[in-house]
Amino acid sequence: AQTVTQSQPEMSVQEAETVTLSCTYDTSESNYYLFWYKQPPSRQMILVIRQEAYKQQNATENRFSVNFQKAAKSFSLKISDSQLGDTAMYFCAFMDSNYQLIWGAGTKLIIKP
Amino acid sequence: NAGVTQTPKFQVLKTGQSMTLQCAQDMNHEYMSWYRQDPGMGLRLIHYSVGAGITDQGEVPNGYNVSRSTTEDFPLRLLSAAPSQTSVYFCASSLGPRQETQYFGPGTRLLVL
Repeated sequence: AQTVTQSQPEMSVQEAETVTLSCTYDTSESNYYLFWYKQPPSRQMILVIRQEAYKQQNATENRFSVNFQKAAKSFSLKISDSQLGDTAMYFCAFMDSNYQLIWGAGTKLIIKP
Repeated sequence: NAGVTQTPKFQVLKTGQSMTLQCAQDMNHEYMSWYRQDPGMGLRLIHYSVGAGITDQGEVPNGYNVSRSTTEDFPLRLLSAAPSQTSVYFCASSLGPRQETQYFGPGTRLLVL
């Protein structure tokens, strides 16, 4: 069975610092998609960044970037110049060939002023 | 453009009651799905649909039914509510299952007594 593991239940950093959230996954597939979603206290799920497994280049969206290591099955999210509005739960998710999203348990990120 | 809407926002049921959670999207998305989110866990896929008239089971389908008679609507039916179904339910949609961002509704909080 495919699984997604987020080993950090909670993290906190000072505003403007850089923080990295880890995610590992287990699959026998070679072509798949990986996602990071943000869930603020409002509970709305917001896509942060997406990576296609066949692309070797790491995805970047403004202050958010990933470190995708396919062989190691690792997909970490780096947030640069962290802001108070980045405080949220962050979920890593894997989409398999059956179009199903498998989710990690989440990391609670707190940005301190 | 309302995006993905869900009703009700909050519902209390007694064990054994049935109900339907409504989900609608006005973006002409083909792919729709239902998830449940329990404390300390990521989202788990209940059912999904790749188009009108087509539905399939996800990771945790037992106790739930779905239908997709139109592109816009994807209701989730609880057949006989159980306390284990107490959760927050999210509906999501995307233009396609893999290529596009999934848009989430605001969620329905369900309490089964």
